[in-house]
Amino acid sequence: EPEVTQTPSHQVTQMGQEVILRCVPISNHLYFYWYRQILGQKVEFLVSFYNNEISEKSEIFDDQFSVERPDGSNFTLKIRSTKLEDSAMYFCASSATLSFEQFFGPGTRLTVL
Amino acid sequence: DAKTTQPNSMESNEEEPVHLPCNHSTISGTDYIHWYRQLPSQGPEYVIHGLTSNVNNRMASLAIAEDRKSSTLILHRATLRDAAVYYCILRDNPGTALIFGKGTTLSVSS
Repeated sequence: EPEVTQTPSHQVTQMGQEVILRCVPISNHLYFYWYRQILGQKVEFLVSFYNNEISEKSEIFDDQFSVERPDGSNFTLKIRSTKLEDSAMYFCASSATLSFEQFFGPGTRLTVL
Repeated sequence: DAKTTQPNSMESNEEEPVHLPCNHSTISGTDYIHWYRQLPSQGPEYVIHGLTSNVNNRMASLAIAEDRKSSTLILHRATLRDAAVYYCILRDNPGTALIFGKGTTLSVSS
């Protein structure tokens, strides 16, 4: 069964450093998303991406964040200068056109020290 | 986004049916009712969605009130693997964001 994959599973970084979180969505999907979940809190939407551009973003997704689809398979989330409060589990998701079902990856745990 | 209200937690015994309620009194005519769940240490997982009619799939059933102001996710025979946080989410278009609340934490005992 096709699945969304994410790498790395755990990333540790120093405050102020740049990190790139990588996702490989399901191959025929066209909508891509990033969500995050701070430990013990609810899942929060960050950004959605369709047709090579951001289609929707939340207030959390400020200038420190960016997304890119560098090739036909990867979808990345970049945090330019990490803060302690960026420590969270980051989930990538994808969905097919006109489908209500989003498929989530296993997540990347980001720890900012 | 229209708001949903769910109990914080529920308990069930293995092999018994579970009815997870969700209130959404301000739902609009174009809002679909979605259910996702999150197993421990995993990403959210789609369970089911519906608009007006009751829906069944291999995982669960969704019962939607006639006025659409509430719905119930039904797990017909709970297993230990069904222990998770269950989220009821309203959404009017595919491709848009899922806005998660706190959900209902379901505990299943053997």
